[in-house]
Amino acid sequence: EAGVVQSPRYKIIEKKQPVAFWCNPISGHNTLYWYRQNLGQGPELLIRYENEEAVDDSQLPKDRFSAERLKGVDSTLKIQPAELGDSAVYLCASSSRGLISGSYEQYFGPGTRLTVT
Amino acid sequence: DAKTTQPNSMESNEEEPVHLPCNHSTISGTDYIHWYRQLPSQGPEYVIHGLTSNVNNRMASLAIAEDRKSSTLILHRATLRDAAVYYCILRSYSGAGSYQLTFGKGTKLSVIP
Repeated sequence: EAGVVQSPRYKIIEKKQPVAFWCNPISGHNTLYWYRQNLGQGPELLIRYENEEAVDDSQLPKDRFSAERLKGVDSTLKIQPAELGDSAVYLCASSSRGLISGSYEQYFGPGTRLTVT
Repeated sequence: DAKTTQPNSMESNEEEPVHLPCNHSTISGTDYIHWYRQLPSQGPEYVIHGLTSNVNNRMASLAIAEDRKSSTLILHRATLRDAAVYYCILRSYSGAGSYQLTFGKGTKLSVIP
C-alpha cells in the first residue's frame, strides 16, 4: 500500500513570494490533515478535511494561508505571501474512519521543509 | 485540550528495554492514549494506543496506570533504529466522526551502541 505522498520535499523561497505544497493521501482515506512543525516542536494542526469539506481550520492563518481538497482526494496548501516565520516542515496526514483497526490512526507523509529567506 | 507531560530526553543502551513515561493527570474518561514516534527527517508514525487496559503489538507495549493518569511506553529491546522523538498524545473527539491529535514536544530517545 502506497503511503502519503507529498511534494516538493524541500522548498527555498524569498519572503513575499508564494508557495504551494501538494499532498496525495492514502487511497480511501476520507480525512486529511495539514500540520506545521517548527524546529524542536511537535506538529501543530492547521486544517482538517472530511472528504472535500474543511471541518476544522481554526488554526489556519487565513490572511495568507489557503487550502483546498478537490474531489476529496488530493490537497494543496498555499502560502501567499510567505514570511520569514513560515519556515517550518509542513506535514500532511490522512486517516480512515477506523472501520478495521478502530484506532483512527493517522498516516503521515515525509513533509515539505520550507525555508523562507 | 488534555495535555501530557514527558521528559525532554532519555538514553538507552542498545538491546536493553526502554520505559518512556507520560503523565496525563487531566485525562477524561473518553480520551484514548496514543503514542507516535518521529524518526529524523520523517513524519510521525503510529506506535500504539490504548484506553484502559495494557496493550501489546509488534512494536511496543503500553502500560496504563489504573487511574489512567499516567502511562508508559515500553520498547522491549531498543535498537539503533528506535532512536526518535516519542510523542504521548491524548486523542480527543473532534466531531464528525474524527479525532484530533494534539502533539507536545515529546521525548527524544537516544540509543547508545
